[in-house]
Amino acid sequence: DAGVTQSPTHLIKTRGQHVTLRCSPISGHKSVSWYQQVLGQGPQFIFQYYEKEERGRGNFPDRFSARQFPNYSSELNVNALLLGDSALYLCASSLQGSGWGGYTFGSGTRLTVV
Amino acid sequence: QKEVEQNSGPLSVPEGAIASLNCTYSDRGSQSFFWYRQYSGKSPELIMSIYSNGDKEDGRFTAQLNKASQYVSLLIRDSQPSDSATYLCAVNGDSGGYQKVTFGTGTKLQVIP
Repeated sequence: DAGVTQSPTHLIKTRGQHVTLRCSPISGHKSVSWYQQVLGQGPQFIFQYYEKEERGRGNFPDRFSARQFPNYSSELNVNALLLGDSALYLCASSLQGSGWGGYTFGSGTRLTVV
Repeated sequence: QKEVEQNSGPLSVPEGAIASLNCTYSDRGSQSFFWYRQYSGKSPELIMSIYSNGDKEDGRFTAQLNKASQYVSLLIRDSQPSDSATYLCAVNGDSGGYQKVTFGTGTKLQVIP
């Protein structure tokens, strides 16, 4: 069975540009959560989606948006990129939105903003 | 006050010793607790989950939970160089109508051969 798939693995963008990151959860999992991990820090919660609805949003500006599709895959969009957006973006898959049983993470997308 | 606190380390232990990693959390309503291992340049991997007070053992790993003290720990017995990684404590709790998992900053463990 395929695990959590994220694409692309690496990305270099210029300040002010837009980026779209993609995630496919484990088959049968209905929830996707997005996290941002800056070097040396723990993952910071951005969004949680369950059954195609946004369940929660972390303390991130409106430049960050996301959605979940009928097949439960998800996109994270970031507009007007800033240097500070450079980070590892992690997609977490879980059966339910609660994350009760723990998350399975994808390999992440390493975003560098120059 | 941070929601989940960990000592960033590094924690250095000799090979074969017991490594003890600690975590405190602020939300008394938290219901589930996790330890993730993250190798450098990789994504976190779930290694232990614990939901009730006491100890939970899985191979060389033991998770301990004390809800009264809002304290979670991870013991790694017979530490191996391959255990060298950052260990993230994560706590699941209610956040305005939904369950959110909050991570600590992680403790870097170095096992010295």
